[in-house]
Amino acid sequence: ETGVTQTPRHLVMGMTNKKSLKCEQHLGHNAMYWYKQSAKKPLELMFVYSLEERVENNSVPSRFSPECPNSSHLFLHLHTLQPEDSALYLCASSQEEGSSYEQYFGPGTRLTVT
Amino acid sequence: GENVEQHPSTLSVQEGDSAVIKCTYSDSASNYFPWYKQELGKRPQLIIDIRSNVGEKKDQRIAVTLNKTAKHFSLHITETQPEDSAVYFCAASSAYSGAGSYQLTFGKGTKLSVIP
Repeated sequence: ETGVTQTPRHLVMGMTNKKSLKCEQHLGHNAMYWYKQSAKKPLELMFVYSLEERVENNSVPSRFSPECPNSSHLFLHLHTLQPEDSALYLCASSQEEGSSYEQYFGPGTRLTVT
Repeated sequence: GENVEQHPSTLSVQEGDSAVIKCTYSDSASNYFPWYKQELGKRPQLIIDIRSNVGEKKDQRIAVTLNKTAKHFSLHITETQPEDSAVYFCAASSAYSGAGSYQLTFGKGTKLSVIP
């Protein structure tokens, strides 16, 4: 799979577990994002990194902790999650090209919190 | 912050007919409006986008129109085909986050079904 990859694709975790989601982009982009996609809700932007610096944290609970060690990798560290955190977590990357800021999405990690 | 409303939430059309999805936004500073298509079980993919200095953009069977005064923009799909069946999301952005990034606020999505 090329473009933006995410692992794992599926994750089931208990509320006391600690896990991490991984995203890797092979596009040479300099911005990366985490989104949450829940049923019947719009895509919710969680975090934005530009040139490896976090530029936005949209009031996300501290049980979600992002990490961007370099421009190609993005992590989302999870701990003491709640059942309502069950959702599809999408990573995306972008780079300005002409008049477009197309965000390329990964396939997502389907997270279930039990 | 930005708020994006999208209508309708579901849309069924006969193959060959046109489909129109409408979105409104609240922040008059928004200047970038992409549309994404998400097929079942797949990732969202950009199908068309428009900047606020342009009123209309067309790419084969899809077109987007933007009315800055009314703060609404629409997606038009002509000659619909079964493979157009998917969820379509509009988005708006007014916040440039630096070096290649935009903060997008998405609508709730429209599930389009094209009936053969």
